Amino acid sequence: KNEVEQSPQNLTAQEGEFITINCSYSVGISALHWLQQHPGGGIVSLFMLSSGKKKHGRLIATINIQEKHSSLHITASHPRDSAVYICAVEEGSNYKLTFGKGTLLTVNP
Amino acid sequence: DADVTQTPRNRITKTGKRIMLECSQTKGHDRMYWYRQDPGLGLRLIYYSFDVKDINKGEISDGYSVSRQAQAKFSLSLESAIPNQTALYFCATSDFRGTEQFFGPGTRLTVL
Repeated sequence: KNEVEQSPQNLTAQEGEFITINCSYSVGISALHWLQQHPGGGIVSLFMLSSGKKKHGRLIATINIQEKHSSLHITASHPRDSAVYICAVEEGSNYKLTFGKGTLLTVNP
Repeated sequence: DADVTQTPRNRITKTGKRIMLECSQTKGHDRMYWYRQDPGLGLRLIYYSFDVKDINKGEISDGYSVSRQAQAKFSLSLESAIPNQTALYFCATSDFRGTEQFFGPGTRLTVL
């Protein structure tokens, strides 16, 4: 079973700061997902990546397959970015996900 | 309207009762999943279905059963609820490529 570790568990930032959330996993994967869980509980998918880097607005996700590590960056953070960010990995082609415990991000104005 | 809906959104029940949580989707996806989320733990897969005739156990299927009534509907049942099944339950869907999962709003279940 793949072990998915996220760091930090909790992160507090001031508006405008650059944010980095890390994810490491123990077994080779076919893809890695980043998801966002809003304070109300809803979950949305942010990125799926298997190599390199993806960017969407102020969010950037990178993955290093050799290091078994991924990072999610948020540039110019805003209070509306406050949420739990969840990393999940997919092994093989079975499309089943193994999830990290999440990182709670609070961005203060 | 939401693409993935779950009913009920909240449910309080007693130990030993049978409970059904329902999930419907309008995305036309073949793949559907049931997860539970507990405080301090990651989401864990209970059951998944890749089409109407395909049902598979996930990581924590004991105490649960599912029914895929149609492409759009996937129900989760707790035959005899117990307190440690108190959790937030999510349904999700994905297309055949599995590139992204779309989650329902969640059902908060409390078993007393």
